[in-house]
Amino acid sequence: NAGVMQNPRHLVRRRGQEARLRCSPMKGHSHVYWYRQLPEEGLKFMVYLQKENIIDESGMPKERFSAEFPKEGPSILRIQQVVRGDSAAYFCASSQSPGQTYEQYFGPGTRLTVT
Amino acid sequence: GQQVMQIPQYQHVQEGEDFTTYCNSSTTLSNIQWYKQRPGGHPVFLIQLVKSGEVKKQKRLTFQFGEAKKNSSLHITATQTTDVGTYFCAGYGGSQGNLIFGKGTKLSVKP
Repeated sequence: NAGVMQNPRHLVRRRGQEARLRCSPMKGHSHVYWYRQLPEEGLKFMVYLQKENIIDESGMPKERFSAEFPKEGPSILRIQQVVRGDSAAYFCASSQSPGQTYEQYFGPGTRLTVT
Repeated sequence: GQQVMQIPQYQHVQEGEDFTTYCNSSTTLSNIQWYKQRPGGHPVFLIQLVKSGEVKKQKRLTFQFGEAKKNSSLHITATQTTDVGTYFCAGYGGSQGNLIFGKGTKLSVKP
């Protein structure tokens, strides 16, 4: 019974490159959430997706960031032209129903370092 | 927008002492969830509170939801070194599935 999978676990990118973060939800879960966590900070909501739909992207920066959750395959968080300020831990979580009612199961995170 | 605040930000205790973290929301919550994140790890769900005035216990952990559903607390009795980590509360943010997390309380326990 695999939990939420994220890869890569660590990602190093130079300024200006693209970062692609992948998340496979728990089996049977169709709701995926992405969060960003800076060192010593809390979790900042970025985006909530269901299969093929973005439900809430109110926490996503307007530029350079995008997310998708295709019918087949993992959810992808894409950061274009990364800057040093993008360095953070990015966590994906999934739930079987909207997170308001059910707990969210978090993946191990991707630690992004921009050099 | 809705805000969820937690205090204290840090708490250092001697093993065996009690610990409490408090969570306050700027608006009424439909429910509140608590998560624990070990150093270097990821958040792990602990519990959800839904009813006004609800109290739930998990061994040495006691969770409370305020009568007005705007505040909550987590109390740990007789802390152990395994309790080390950051405890987050999270409330429903008004749009479907958008949990608002507090900044967390980082607990360290001295043996």
